[in-house]
Amino acid sequence: DFVMTQTPLSSPVTLGQPASISCRSSQRLVHSDGNTYLNWLQQRPGQPPRLLIYKISNRVSGVPDRFSGSGAGTDFTLKISRVEVEDVGVYYCMQSTHFPRTFGQGTKVEIK
Amino acid sequence: DVQLLESGGGLVQPGGSLRLSCAASGLTFSDHGMAWVRQAPGKGLEWVSTISGNAKNTHYADSVEGRFTISRDNSKNTLYLQMNRLRVDDTALYYCATDVGVTSHFDYWGHGTLVTVSS
Repeated sequence: DFVMTQTPLSSPVTLGQPASISCRSSQRLVHSDGNTYLNWLQQRPGQPPRLLIYKISNRVSGVPDRFSGSGAGTDFTLKISRVEVEDVGVYYCMQSTHFPRTFGQGTKVEIK
Repeated sequence: DVQLLESGGGLVQPGGSLRLSCAASGLTFSDHGMAWVRQAPGKGLEWVSTISGNAKNTHYADSVEGRFTISRDNSKNTLYLQMNRLRVDDTALYYCATDVGVTSHFDYWGHGTLVTVSS
């Protein structure tokens, strides 16, 4: 299976400061169609997950531009340039290149 | 707007069965692979199963293989998950989500239906 490992698991951040989450895959995530289906999801408290970023760096329509994704191969990063109150929640990386689909453990972003 | 509405959850004894449904609207249902993802209380997300848009291909997590069956009815825009031989560790909130779409995956999620397996 493609194991997804996120660090850190908890990220206390001061409002207006940046946050960064790393995600490492145990194997490369390049699909036979040439795309890398590495996604980032946000789950606010009491809410279902919401797709933020797809194919490493593509922001979903309506997602603020303070969210950005980057990476290649087996190492990927989600960055929030200036954390706002509404960003509190758990962030998951997941790969949908291969079956079984796999998720990282989740990173809890909270305000200091 | 796209809506995915799960139903069918509830309390069931170990060894019992349940059938979950997910009614989709606001999208061309047959264009999307569909998935079930679950979340045990206080835990992270776990992919359960995926079915292709034409229902010809299905995939399962090892933890549910042989016990759960995913299916869909494109004429009714509905996704199903038949869960048999339920175990206590199947207790979770079960989300329906789009899997493979036109340009991206896992764009849309329902709010989930709670399955509790307990004696």
